[in-house]
Amino acid sequence: KAGVTQTPRYLIKTRGQQVTLSCSPISGHRSVSWYQQTPGQGLQFLFEYFSETQRNKGNFPGRFSGRQFSNSRSEMNVSTLELGDSALYLCASSLDTNSVDEQFFGPGTRLTVL
Amino acid sequence: GDSVTQMEGPVTLSEEAFLTINCTYTATGYPSLFWYVQYPGEGLQLLLKATKADDKGSNKGFEATYRKETTSFHLEKGSVQVSDSAVYFCALGHNAGNMLTFGGGTRLMVKP
Repeated sequence: KAGVTQTPRYLIKTRGQQVTLSCSPISGHRSVSWYQQTPGQGLQFLFEYFSETQRNKGNFPGRFSGRQFSNSRSEMNVSTLELGDSALYLCASSLDTNSVDEQFFGPGTRLTVL
Repeated sequence: GDSVTQMEGPVTLSEEAFLTINCTYTATGYPSLFWYVQYPGEGLQLLLKATKADDKGSNKGFEATYRKETTSFHLEKGSVQVSDSAVYFCALGHNAGNMLTFGGGTRLMVKP
């Protein structure tokens, strides 16, 4: 079974631009979560999507948004990029049961904002 | 809100030494607890988990026990190997969706 894939793996943008990151979950997984990993703040939850609906949201500004498609693939978008948005963005997918499921993480997209 | 605190690293050990990485949490209700590991150049992988008080999670020689009275989930291994060198993250999650709260991570370096 293929793992979680994220594209692109690396991105370089300049301040003020916007960026879209993509995540393909493991086949059959319906929940997709996004996390930001930085040396200073560690791993922080951005949002979770299930059945094309945002189910949970972390404490990030509205510049960070996402969506999920009917095939469970997900994208996240960051508008008006700031230097502080430089980070590794991780996507995780999981089955959706009544308990907290194991989340399977992708390799991440490393975003550098200049 | 929820929070997870784990010991800062790096932790440097010799091969075959005993490992403990401390993790404590603050949360409402009864969260599930996890240890994830990030090997160099790889993504996060689940190492072990426990879903209720007094549960012990174990995998690859690592163990952690869910202690509700001390709100702790310390990671232990009796004899570490060089291949265990990685960053270890303690995390908690609730049943209301797949949203994890992570600790800051602890880098483990094992020397031959």
